[in-house]
Amino acid sequence: ILNVEQSPQSLHVQEGDSTNFTCSFPSSNFYALHWYRWETAKSPEALFVMTLNGDEKKKGQISATLNTKEGYSYLYIKGSQPEDSATYLCAFESFNKFYFGSGTKLNVKP
Amino acid sequence: DSGVTQTPKHLITATGQRVTLRCSPRSGDLSVYWYQQSLDQGLQFLIHYYNGEERAKGNILERFSAQQFPDLHSELNLSSLELGDSALYFCASSGPAVSTNSPLHFGNGTRLTVT
Repeated sequence: ILNVEQSPQSLHVQEGDSTNFTCSFPSSNFYALHWYRWETAKSPEALFVMTLNGDEKKKGQISATLNTKEGYSYLYIKGSQPEDSATYLCAFESFNKFYFGSGTKLNVKP
Repeated sequence: DSGVTQTPKHLITATGQRVTLRCSPRSGDLSVYWYQQSLDQGLQFLIHYYNGEERAKGNILERFSAQQFPDLHSELNLSSLELGDSALYFCASSGPAVSTNSPLHFGNGTRLTVT
């Protein structure tokens, strides 16, 4: 069983704050690193899929970076809005399997 | 809407029973993955099928089995149910390539309650 760890477990910020969280994963047998956004009572939705060391992806005010050599990825949200409140999951893809972290639960207060 | 359909949405059954969860993948996707989310746990990988064939197995109990049919829909069979099997079961699809680098598209899940 592979360990994919996310920190922090939860985060409470004010509207307009910028925030970031971490995903740590094994540095061997790497295929891809995925980020998903999971709103309450919905299903997870894909944000990014990153495959190359040094990859940076951006979608609106959300961006992510990848370091496969040291086994971590950062997700950044610039100027958080209440609608950004969700659980953010990362998943390590290897040999046709996806290993999910437990997620970072973000709460953005208006 | 992800395009992945899971039925039923909710299922309540007694210990010892058997249930079948169904998943229709997004059009064009050949891979189907099953995940279990128990209380206070993350998404636990159960099994992956690609174009009808099993490709990878995770922490799937022997009481559980799955298959993917020629029309690509998949079924997860859970038998001799125990209280601890109560969970949210997600299906996700991706494709058409087997080794993806493409995102998973999740269904809305089936909430199983074993009493």
